[in-house]
Amino acid sequence: EPEVTQTPSHQVTQMGQEVILRCVPISNHLYFYWYRQILGQKVEFLVSFYNNEISEKSEIFDDQFSVERPDGSNFTLKIRSTKLEDSAMYFCASSETDRNQPQHFGDGTRLSIL
Amino acid sequence: QKEVEQDPGPLSVPEGAIVSLNCTYSNSAFQYFMWYRQYSRKGPELLMYTYSSGNKEDGRFTAQVDKSSKYISLFIRDSQPSDSATYLCAMSGKNTGNQFYFGTGTSLTVIP
Repeated sequence: EPEVTQTPSHQVTQMGQEVILRCVPISNHLYFYWYRQILGQKVEFLVSFYNNEISEKSEIFDDQFSVERPDGSNFTLKIRSTKLEDSAMYFCASSETDRNQPQHFGDGTRLSIL
Repeated sequence: QKEVEQDPGPLSVPEGAIVSLNCTYSNSAFQYFMWYRQYSRKGPELLMYTYSSGNKEDGRFTAQVDKSSKYISLFIRDSQPSDSATYLCAMSGKNTGNQFYFGTGTSLTVIP
């Protein structure tokens, strides 16, 4: 069964450094998402991406965050200057044809900021 | 504003028991309701997807939606130790944007 893959599984970064999280969505999916989950808290929406542009973003997704689809398969989340509070699990998800269709999640990248 | 509320548990049941997991919500615009299972250090895995009110059954799993009460349930019959995980409800609507709104998750342990 097709799946969303994310790399790396764990990223350790010094505060203030830039980090790029990578995702390969399911190949025929058109909508892409990033969520984060701080330990013990809810899964929180960050951003959705469709047709090569951001379609919606949350308050969390400030100027330090950016997303890109650099080629036909990858979808990346960049955090420019990481803060301690950015430590979380970051999940990529994709859905097929409509934003209300089921979103399929990857196994996440655990980001640890030191 | 707490859009989606879910009892975090933990919930512990003996193998073979029927498990009932529930979420309530406040936004009447929600129309699409999902249940995800999340094992430790893994991503949410889609279990059930329902639209509007009613029941949906898939093997040992039954999802129920009561839009009039803003209440959704997931029932697991003949629970197995492999069902031990955190169960997340999620929901969305045509006019609620692109995101899914998640509950906090209920931690379930099925004891052999």
